[in-house]
Amino acid sequence: KNQVEQSPQSLIILEGKNCTLQCNYTVSPFSNLRWYKQDTGRGPVSLTIMTFSENTKSNGRYTATLDADTKQSSLHITASQLSDSASYICVVSGSYYGQNFVFGPGTRLSVLP
Amino acid sequence: EADIYQTPRYLVIGTGKKITLECSQTMGHDKMYWYQQDPGMELHLIHYSYGVNSTEKGDLSSESTVSRIRTEHFPLTLESARPSHTSQYLCATVPPRERGTDTQYFGPGTRLTVL
Repeated sequence: KNQVEQSPQSLIILEGKNCTLQCNYTVSPFSNLRWYKQDTGRGPVSLTIMTFSENTKSNGRYTATLDADTKQSSLHITASQLSDSASYICVVSGSYYGQNFVFGPGTRLSVLP
Repeated sequence: EADIYQTPRYLVIGTGKKITLECSQTMGHDKMYWYQQDPGMELHLIHYSYGVNSTEKGDLSSESTVSRIRTEHFPLTLESARPSHTSQYLCATVPPRERGTDTQYFGPGTRLTVL
């Protein structure tokens, strides 16, 4: 069964600290993996996308990694800010363009002053 | 960045009412999707469309219908709203393959409460 798991379910950190969120998937075939940020009451916004051949991708203070062999991904946030408080969702796509999006449950991050 | 509009943003209605949630986009994206998301929970696919006159059911398609008469619009209709329909509804689009990757662009969502 195609599945995406994320850990931890929730995380609380202090402003300025770093953190790492995890994503494990069993989706096959695999096309790409994305991390989205979803602010409360809003739609998700794409942060990074990685294909099978990529193992790291950065977007400002966000760095995503992908290990296609172990089917694991991580999202590292550096020097966290209060505005980073949100849910972070891992989404894996199958082989066909625009099809087979498998969503993880998300990690709820709270950054405290 | 895609311009995706959802109306209404918030809706409170009584049980048994028929409602239509609107989703429109101005980018000419052919693929559109409807998701249901309870607070703090994952997104569940309700319906999707790969173009005009194309609609498919997702995991939670029961009790709702969609239409895709025009590329720009993808309305979702609940024939008889129930309290179990209380949730946030998110609309998303994907650009045509020739424009790049299949990143989904999401609208702001409609928060529905059924009393």
